[in-house]
Amino acid sequence: GENVEQHPSTLSVQEGDSAVIKCTYSDSASNYFPWYKQELGKRPQLIIDIRSNVGEKKDQRIAVTLNKTAKHFSLHITETQPEDSAVYFCAASIEYSSASKIIFGSGTRLSIRP
Amino acid sequence: DSGVTQTPKHLITATGQRVTLRCSPRSGDLSVYWYQQSLDQGLQFLIQYYNGEERAKGNILERFSAQQFPDLHSELNLSSLELGDSALYFCASSGGSDSRNTIYFGEGSWLTVV
Repeated sequence: GENVEQHPSTLSVQEGDSAVIKCTYSDSASNYFPWYKQELGKRPQLIIDIRSNVGEKKDQRIAVTLNKTAKHFSLHITETQPEDSAVYFCAASIEYSSASKIIFGSGTRLSIRP
Repeated sequence: DSGVTQTPKHLITATGQRVTLRCSPRSGDLSVYWYQQSLDQGLQFLIQYYNGEERAKGNILERFSAQQFPDLHSELNLSSLELGDSALYFCASSGGSDSRNTIYFGEGSWLTVV
């Protein structure tokens, strides 16, 4: 079945620097890749997603890139701010005709140093 | 607000007891997912339902069971509770008309077993 690996498990960056989180997936049929941010004790929230028909998507300081050939995708956060500190989860989804199935990575705890 | 409603928000119970967690998906969503998240852990997939039928099963213990009803709400039953079952249990839904692959999480149910 589908497997999603996420690296690194923890990441500490200086405020204002960039952060990059990488994920790989195993099933080439995956066609939807969302990223979620989870603050302590709260629900994961969708921050950006990308579908397999595009290679890159940006939303202000956040961008996601997808390499279908290598089966990996990455989250890039530029000009990091203290409020970016959270756990980030990548996911890969295989859409069937009647239901979608989603597999999450193990998460990356991002800490922003002041 | 994601539109996914979970009750109760907090629950404290003793070992050996049984509890039921309830989830109402977003309006129009047909898929419901259950996840378990222990302290500082990732999102452990338990089970998925689509339109009343079990669609995928993850690392769900035999002491746990779930179902999705005709009105699409779902319940997760946890029995013979152990201390290690203390966790945050998330329900999520997808399969609405806006984006079939996008998964939305509820606020979670905090279960403490004492």
